[in-house]
Amino acid sequence: KQEVTQIPAALSVPEGENLVLNCSFTDSAIYNLQWFRQDPGKGLTSLLLIQSSQREQTSGRLNASLDKSSGRSTLYIAASQPGDSATYLCAVKSGGGADGLTFGKGTHLIIQP
Amino acid sequence: SQTIHQWPATLVQPVGSPLSLECTVEGTSNPNLYWYRQAAGRGLQLLFYSVGIGQISSEVPQNLSASRPQDRQFILSSKKLLLSDSGFYLCAGGEIYEQYFGPGTRLTVT
Repeated sequence: KQEVTQIPAALSVPEGENLVLNCSFTDSAIYNLQWFRQDPGKGLTSLLLIQSSQREQTSGRLNASLDKSSGRSTLYIAASQPGDSATYLCAVKSGGGADGLTFGKGTHLIIQP
Repeated sequence: SQTIHQWPATLVQPVGSPLSLECTVEGTSNPNLYWYRQAAGRGLQLLFYSVGIGQISSEVPQNLSASRPQDRQFILSSKKLLLSDSGFYLCAGGEIYEQYFGPGTRLTVT
C-alpha cells in the first residue's frame, strides 16, 4: 500500500527566503506526482504535476523535482512571499487508470512579512 | 480543464441524522469522479471513486455511501451520521493523468 510522507510538517520563514518542501513515497511504481496548495477552509489548487517519466516541472517561482527510484520529490519555492502562506500537499497517483490519489499530510508554511 | 461544484459549503448535523452532499462537474463528459475526506490531523483519504453512471468503488469501509445517478453528478450519503464522520469533504473529477478539486464541504457532526 502506497504511503506518502511530507517533511517538515510545519515551516515558518522570513519573506524573501528560498525554501524546500520534501515528499517521500514508499512504492516507486507511480504514474505521476502532484503538488497542491490548500488555503484554510478551501479546496485544493494544483501547482505542478510531474509524470513518472519526467524529472522536474517549473511554474514561475515554483520548481518540483521527482526522483522516482528513491521515492522522493521536492518543491522549491524561490523568493518566498507572505501570499505563499498555505498548506502544501504532495499526492501520488499509483496507476494509470481511475485510481485516486494518495496524499501526504502536508506542510503548513508561514511566510513572515 | 474541468470545474467541480460542491454544496453546501458548510453543514452542521446532529448525530443520527441523514446526509446528502452533491457534486457536479462542468467542462467534460464521462469523467472519473472521486470523494475524499480530510479529517482533523489526518491527510486526505480517498473514500469512493466512479468511472461511470452507477459504477461505484469504495476504498475504505465506513458509514457512508456514494451514488452516481448522472454522468456529471456524484452524491455522498449517509443514513445516520456518526461523530467520526466530521471532516472536510472534497469532490474531484479526473482524467487519466490529472484530478481537479471542488471547493469542499465542511461537515460538523454534533
